[in-house]
Amino acid sequence: RKEVEQDPGPFNVPEGATVAFNCTYSNSASQSFFWYRQDCRKEPKLLMSVYSSGNEDGRFTAQLNRASQYISLLIRDSKLSDSATYLCVVLGSNTGKLIFGQGTTLQVKP
Amino acid sequence: DAGVIQSPRHEVTEMGQEVTLRCKPISGHDYLFWYRQTMMRGLELLIYFNNNVPIDDSGMPEDRFSAKMPNASFSTLKIQPSEPRDSAVYFCASSPGRAYYGYTFGSGTRLTVV
Repeated sequence: RKEVEQDPGPFNVPEGATVAFNCTYSNSASQSFFWYRQDCRKEPKLLMSVYSSGNEDGRFTAQLNRASQYISLLIRDSKLSDSATYLCVVLGSNTGKLIFGQGTTLQVKP
Repeated sequence: DAGVIQSPRHEVTEMGQEVTLRCKPISGHDYLFWYRQTMMRGLELLIYFNNNVPIDDSGMPEDRFSAKMPNASFSTLKIQPSEPRDSAVYFCASSPGRAYYGYTFGSGTRLTVV
């Protein structure tokens, strides 16, 4: 079983739609959680951290459920520029290593 | 800040040749990571350094791969001899701490071994 699992998609949605991505992780002792965004042929970039209480950054909302070992990302009012691959990332317990999921591809259509 | 700088951006080499990838981390970041990305396997951590010391190289695929960090501002990843299955994008990333703030990635080196 992979340490971080995501539905690879692709998710094809119209502009203005709300879309949600889910992610599960296997190590219950994992400490920190992130969502990264990667555009085609570019490097991954930090989108947002994920806190236990849930957090919001504009149109983006991230949530963490430690009991279910589940992380989510909600994007409201999708824009064409949101088209990218979204990577779920988990910091391994007692290590300095970030473990990346395979990513979920989002394509926002006009 | 210039960010994490990698060179070269693209490298095409023949099987059996030695390849050296270079990375300059962000000044003040004491963690440096080398990742490899392929369509099949996604992003895989190869090795990481803390204060120039290799901490975990368990992701290095085999002895053909080696990495060094002679000082706080420079690291290399070497493949000798290279093979076609090494073709991938190699990313370097740095972090000011134990990743609680995430990593900053360089633009990557796209390696093609023919």
